[in-house]
Amino acid sequence: QKEVEQNSGPLSVPEGAIASLNCTYSDRGSQSFFWYRQYSGKSPELIMSIYSNGDKEDGRFTAQLNKASQYVSLLIRDSQPSDSATYLCAVGRGATNKLIFGTGTLLAVQP
Amino acid sequence: DAGVTQSPTHLIKTRGQQVTLRCSPKSGHDTVSWYQQALGQGPQFIFQYYEEEERQRGNFPDRFSGHQFPNYSSELNVNALLLGDSALYLCASSSDRGDYGYTFGSGTRLTVV
Repeated sequence: QKEVEQNSGPLSVPEGAIASLNCTYSDRGSQSFFWYRQYSGKSPELIMSIYSNGDKEDGRFTAQLNKASQYVSLLIRDSQPSDSATYLCAVGRGATNKLIFGTGTLLAVQP
Repeated sequence: DAGVTQSPTHLIKTRGQQVTLRCSPKSGHDTVSWYQQALGQGPQFIFQYYEEEERQRGNFPDRFSGHQFPNYSSELNVNALLLGDSALYLCASSSDRGDYGYTFGSGTRLTVV
């Protein structure tokens, strides 16, 4: 079992729709969770962090965390073609909070 | 305010050679982590430096080594390069534990031929 698992996609949604990205993790002791966006050929960019169960909203983005189910999700409302990218789920691990990444989900927003 | 800067941007090396990659952290950050990202994969943790010492290491061979300088900048060295070392090498900086996330540099694309 991989430590952080994501559906590789591609996930295709029409412009204006809600994109739902999912991630599961194996270590129940994990305390910090992050979503990064990575455009092709570029470096990851932090878009959301979440530490407590429940929802956290920032503009069009909502992160959801359920520690009991070891599940993290990212919702993107009113999806735009510029949101087309790979979304990486990362979990902080250990005293140094090193990041363990999933393989990423490729999102394609169709105009 | 400069973010994380990495150099060089691209590099082509021959098998068996050695390479040094450089990173300057974001202003105010004192911790530097290095990641390797192969094509189609998520970044893999190599090691983290804090107060000029390697604080934690991922599952990478001793051919991978690093250094942090008093100004918090860092180097990643890879010896005896293999074809499989071809990847995007990312530097990420944070303040101490990175509880609030890491800021990534633009990366160095290393190709080993």
